[in-house]
Parts: sequence; C-alpha cells; structure tokens
Amino acid sequence: DADVTQTPRNRITKTGKRIMLECSQTKGHDRMYWYRQDPGLGLRLIYYSFDVKDINKGEISDGYSVSRQAQAKFSLSLESAIPNQTALYFCATSDFGWNTGELFFGEGSRLTVL
Amino acid sequence: GESVGLHLPTLSVQEGDNSIINCAYSNSASDYFIWYKQESGKGPQFIIDIRSNMDKRQGQRVTVLLNKTVKHLSLQIAATQPGDSAVYFCAENGLGTASKLTFGTGTRLQVTL
Repeated sequence: DADVTQTPRNRITKTGKRIMLECSQTKGHDRMYWYRQDPGLGLRLIYYSFDVKDINKGEISDGYSVSRQAQAKFSLSLESAIPNQTALYFCATSDFGWNTGELFFGEGSRLTVL
Repeated sequence: GESVGLHLPTLSVQEGDNSIINCAYSNSASDYFIWYKQESGKGPQFIIDIRSNMDKRQGQRVTVLLNKTVKHLSLQIAATQPGDSAVYFCAENGLGTASKLTFGTGTRLQVTL
C-alpha cells in the first residue's frame, strides 16, 4: 500500500460545486502539504500543516480551505469550484527538520471543473 | 519575486549517454536543494539533495552540482536509461521556510533508443 494515499484519484465536477480531496499517510510524519500542479508552472503550494493544530497558507490559498483531522489526515476543500481550479493536486508529507526538505508525495488527484 | 527556473523544457538524450539537466535559482538565501523525478501518472519522487555548504554530491548514477556564485544547480545522470524518461524538477528550501519547497517548472527528459 502507498505511504501517502489520495482520494479520489480523478474527479469531474461542475462550477459552483463543493469538492473535497482527501489525503492520508502511514509514514508517521507531522508535516503535511497540498500542492497544485499545472502544465508549465511546476508545483505550487496551497496549504501546509506542521502539526494537527497548525495550518498555514501557501502561495495560492485563495479559493481553497483545509482541515487537519488527525496527524495522518489532511483534506483540501474547494467550497465553490471554478474552471481555473482544474489541475492535478498532490498531497505530500515530510518529517521534522528545519533544513531537510524531502517531501513524500501521493499519486495525485486530477480535478476537472466544467 | 524570487523564483526557481529551468533552462530547457525538454531534453532528448540517446540511451547510454549522459544527461545534464540545469536549474537556475534566484534566491541567494536558499540553503537546501532537491531534485525530484516525476514519471507519467505518478507523484514526484526524491532523487538527490544538496546543501549550500557543498558543491557536489553523488548518488547512484546521479550527481548534483551546485554553483552558488552563479546560482546554478545541475543534475547529471550517467548512462541514461529508458526508465529515466520523466519530468525532473529542482526545488529549493529558502531560509526561513522550514520544509516548504519552491519548485521549478520542470524539464522533460526523453530517452531515445
């Protein structure tokens, strides 16, 4: 089984719908992240959480919200989806460390907003 | 603003040859760099990292070179194989951004037979 599991893997929805992407991990890491990937733009950070009580905005948090339900679970919500949120979304985890950056990624959730 | 970028969006290399993927960064405070490999339909996977107090680090068939003077990072893959075909991203961890990475736009490596 994958260490970082994302659900759903693919989702097609309509403008204005609420969508939740879920992430769970078995690595025992405290830190979890949500990234968005668009062609030609690389990976951009949406939100990150360094522990259950810590939530921080990344560079592109507008239109998104997150919930850290437990150490192992971090979900990303789009309250009212819009077409330019069509993208590939990745959840990632990392261990504690100021100068370590290795992220462990899930397989991605492809979201299409019509 | 600060950014991490790549010189070439696509690199085509013959099987068995060496590959060099380049990355320029602009944040002079960056002190930790990582290369990731992303195969089609998968999430990025860690390849190798290097800290700013080093200028070279070697792994299995891969070498990362860091030139802080010109803010340039490169990934060298020896004896490139078809399984190396993927998109490669460099990423940097700037000072004060503990464990948050800023990614470049990626270079696609195509290995021809």
